[in-house]
Amino acid sequence: GESVGLHLPTLSVQEGDNSIINCAYSNSASDYFIWYKQESGKGPQFIIDIRSNMDKRQGQRVTVLLNKTVKHLSLQIAATQPGDSAVYFCAEIGGGGNKLTFGTGTQLKVEL
Amino acid sequence: DAGITQSPRHKVTETGTPVTLRCHQTENHRYMYWYRQDPGHGLRLIHYSYGVKDTDKGEVSDGYSVSRSKTEDFLLTLESATSSQTSVYFCAISAQGEEETQYFGPGTRLLVL
Repeated sequence: GESVGLHLPTLSVQEGDNSIINCAYSNSASDYFIWYKQESGKGPQFIIDIRSNMDKRQGQRVTVLLNKTVKHLSLQIAATQPGDSAVYFCAEIGGGGNKLTFGTGTQLKVEL
Repeated sequence: DAGITQSPRHKVTETGTPVTLRCHQTENHRYMYWYRQDPGHGLRLIHYSYGVKDTDKGEVSDGYSVSRSKTEDFLLTLESATSSQTSVYFCAISAQGEEETQYFGPGTRLLVL
């Protein structure tokens, strides 16, 4: 059911530390995954994507890991900065579907 | 925001009034989408378009209609707004051949009193 207010899982990290944000998915046929970053009052921003024929992909300061065996996706942010503070959520598509399914997200807080 | 603008950015309206939200893109992308975002839910698809005059329903389409008369514009209409339609609405676009990769606009915050 719908919760009143916004109670997202929160990850607090110290500036300069690495962050790991996790996402579990349920559709074993999903074959494409995206991580988005959403800052307060803004639209979701594409960060990085990965296809199911890969288990790791790297971008600038970010790495996405895919474990299809346990249907788990993670986003690693290296040397976390205050500007990384946002909600991060994953999205998936596949299995013959043509629409993305979105997770509810994790709030990342960077402490100075 | 990937060449996407939404208008208005904020709106307050009363129950029973019609409301139209506009999404405009400068990317010439084929696919456009309307989502709503509410606490406790991931983004939920309302309607989408796969070309001019070609639209289809998403998972939460009741109470909403859309139109796309030009490639660059996708309109979302609430025929008779209800309080349950208070939400943040996002438009997204994707290119042909890369339909899965969606880019989002800045959002419209709608309050229905």
